[in-house]
Amino acid sequence: DTAVSQTPKYLVTQMGNDKSIKCEQNLGHDTMYWYKQDSKKFLKIMFSYNNKELIINETVPNRFSPKSPDKAHLNLHINSLELGDSAVYFCASSQYKQGWGSYNEQFFGPGTRLTVL
Amino acid sequence: KNEVEQSPQNLTAQEEEFITINCSYSVGISALHWLQQHPGGGIVSLFMLSSGKKKHGRLIATINIQEKHSSLHITASHPRDSAVYICAVFNTDKLIFGTGTRLQVFP
Repeated sequence: DTAVSQTPKYLVTQMGNDKSIKCEQNLGHDTMYWYKQDSKKFLKIMFSYNNKELIINETVPNRFSPKSPDKAHLNLHINSLELGDSAVYFCASSQYKQGWGSYNEQFFGPGTRLTVL
Repeated sequence: KNEVEQSPQNLTAQEEEFITINCSYSVGISALHWLQQHPGGGIVSLFMLSSGKKKHGRLIATINIQEKHSSLHITASHPRDSAVYICAVFNTDKLIFGTGTRLQVFP
C-alpha cells in the first residue's frame, strides 16, 4: 500500500544513454513533482504537473522530458545522459489548491539514485 | 545566497539533549514544511505550518511570519532522531528547500 512509488531505486548507466524513471501515486492526488537532490543533498524542483498539465518547469535542460499519462503517474525521461545528471531524483505528490495561501502537504517517493559513468 | 537558510549545518548531541534547528527565509511564503531525511534516503514530512506552533510527540515546530523564521525543536533526543532535517517554504506553487541540517545523536 505504498503511497508514492518510484522505479527503479538504483540506475547505473553510461554517458550518452537514454533512461526513464517511473513514478506512481495511489493517494488520489492531482499534482505530481520531480525533484533533484545533488551530491550536497540540496533538493531542487524540476517539474510539476497538475491534472497531466505542466505547471512548473524550472530551467531544466531539454534532455529531461516529463510525461504524465494520467493523474497517478509522472515519468521522467532523460536523453543523452551526462555525468552531471548523477543525483537522487525524488517524485512527490499533493492535492493542488489554487491561489496564494493555499498549500497541501507533499508526499515523497523513496528516490531513484542515478549514477552516470 | 539561498532563499532558505538553515542553521546549524551539522549538529551532534548526546542522548536526551534538547535540540533546536533554525530556518530563515527571504521570500514570501504561504506555508513552511519541515522534512526528515533518513540515512537510507527516504523523505518524511514532519510538519506543515503557516502560523504559530505545532507539536507531535517529542517534536515541536514554530514559525514567526513577521520575522521570516521557523524553528524545529526535539526534546529528549534519541539516536533514532539522527537524520537530515530539511526546511522548505512554499512560494508561488513550488517548494524552495533549505540546505538541510545533519543531526547525529549519540548514546
